[in-house]
Amino acid sequence: GAVVSQHPSRVICKSGTSVKIECRSLDFQATTMFWYRQFPKKSLMLMATSNEGSKATYEQGVEKDKFLINHASLTLSTLTVTSAHPEDSSFYICSAMRPGGIGELFFGEGSRLTVL
Amino acid sequence: GEDVEQSLFLSVREGDSSVINCTYTDSSSTYLYWYKQEPGAGLQLLTYIFSNMDMKQDQRLTVLLNKKDKHLSLRIADTQTGDSAIYFCAEKGSNTDKLIFGTGTRLQVFP
Repeated sequence: GAVVSQHPSRVICKSGTSVKIECRSLDFQATTMFWYRQFPKKSLMLMATSNEGSKATYEQGVEKDKFLINHASLTLSTLTVTSAHPEDSSFYICSAMRPGGIGELFFGEGSRLTVL
Repeated sequence: GEDVEQSLFLSVREGDSSVINCTYTDSSSTYLYWYKQEPGAGLQLLTYIFSNMDMKQDQRLTVLLNKKDKHLSLRIADTQTGDSAIYFCAEKGSNTDKLIFGTGTRLQVFP
């Protein structure tokens, strides 16, 4: 079964509203989670590294005020897309790294955001 | 640089072997991975190889690593229609937890 669960799987919102996506590690405690964005027929773009108990580390070009990340517990990280616009429409995928493993990432099912 | 390149598309007949190629640039990569993504879903780890290995076989999957040329390949034997998906290679550097993903190869299997 899934070791990382992401919710919601699909969300449609109006322009200007905010949307929160949750990512939970079900099988292990994850001090580090990663948020990716995937454009149609494109690879995954790493947006930020979510660190439990501290601020997220954003990749170059990703607006931290636009994409708020909170990693308040060892099993939950959230991504909030603030004041969403149609260009924010995308497939967002979270992943978690299992401690003591070989560095592989376990991915959530993804969340398809559509901003009208 | 951290570019990881893959060919975009591969089409094979059911029962044939598929070979998906990947080139990477970070010579300090410690692990290299192959992930599978089915439509509308997240990524599923298929297999991985440590950088000091040349080959790894896991049932129908064979991974070959040419560290000198920074070339990684995934061979799927007896390809089935259920193997149709996008395949991503990924590399992990020695001093980071981040994975850098390739551009993805869409594998289409036809009867």
